[in-house]
Amino acid sequence: AQTVTQSQPEMSVQEAETVTLSCTYDTSESDYYLFWYKQPPSRQMILVIRQEAYKQQNATENRFSVNFQKAAKSFSLKISDSQLGDAAMYFCAYSGGGADGLTFGKGTHLIIQP
Amino acid sequence: EAQVTQNPRYLITVTGKKLTVTCSQNMNHEYMSWYRQDPGLGLRQIYYSMNVEVTDKGDVPEGYKVSRKEKRNFPLILESPSPNQTSLYFCASRFRADFAGGGYTFGSGTRLTVV
Repeated sequence: AQTVTQSQPEMSVQEAETVTLSCTYDTSESDYYLFWYKQPPSRQMILVIRQEAYKQQNATENRFSVNFQKAAKSFSLKISDSQLGDAAMYFCAYSGGGADGLTFGKGTHLIIQP
Repeated sequence: EAQVTQNPRYLITVTGKKLTVTCSQNMNHEYMSWYRQDPGLGLRQIYYSMNVEVTDKGDVPEGYKVSRKEKRNFPLILESPSPNQTSLYFCASRFRADFAGGGYTFGSGTRLTVV
């Protein structure tokens, strides 16, 4: 079974600075997808960024980018120019190529210091 | 607006009283699933459905039932709720059953408390 590990239960960063959230996963599949979800206090699950395993290029969405290291099974999220609205729980998730749903990590609580 | 609609958003019930949490999507998605979220555990899959009349267990199916009689609806049924089912529940769907790359759409969540 696939597992996803987020080793940082909580992270804190000053507003306007850069923070990196770590995520590692374990799988024997070669074709899969990785996601970062943001969950603000409203508890809505918001997709931040996705990465296809077959693509070597790291995904980027505005201030959010990933460092995808397939051999190391690592998928970290970098948030540049942190804003107060970035404060939330962040979940790393894995989905295989078939009928599998999402396997989530336990989450990282991100605090933005003004 | 394309969305997944869950109801109710909040529910407090007593042990043993049967309840149903509804989930409906308007995007013609093949795949639908239920997750529960507990502090320190992340989200875990309860059940999923690849299409009408096709359902299967996820990682934590004990104490839950589902049905998929129509493509748009995927209700979660707790026949005899217990306090350990107190949790935040999410319904999520994706367009194709055999392809996860298109991403998932989540409902707004249902906060269930069983006393």
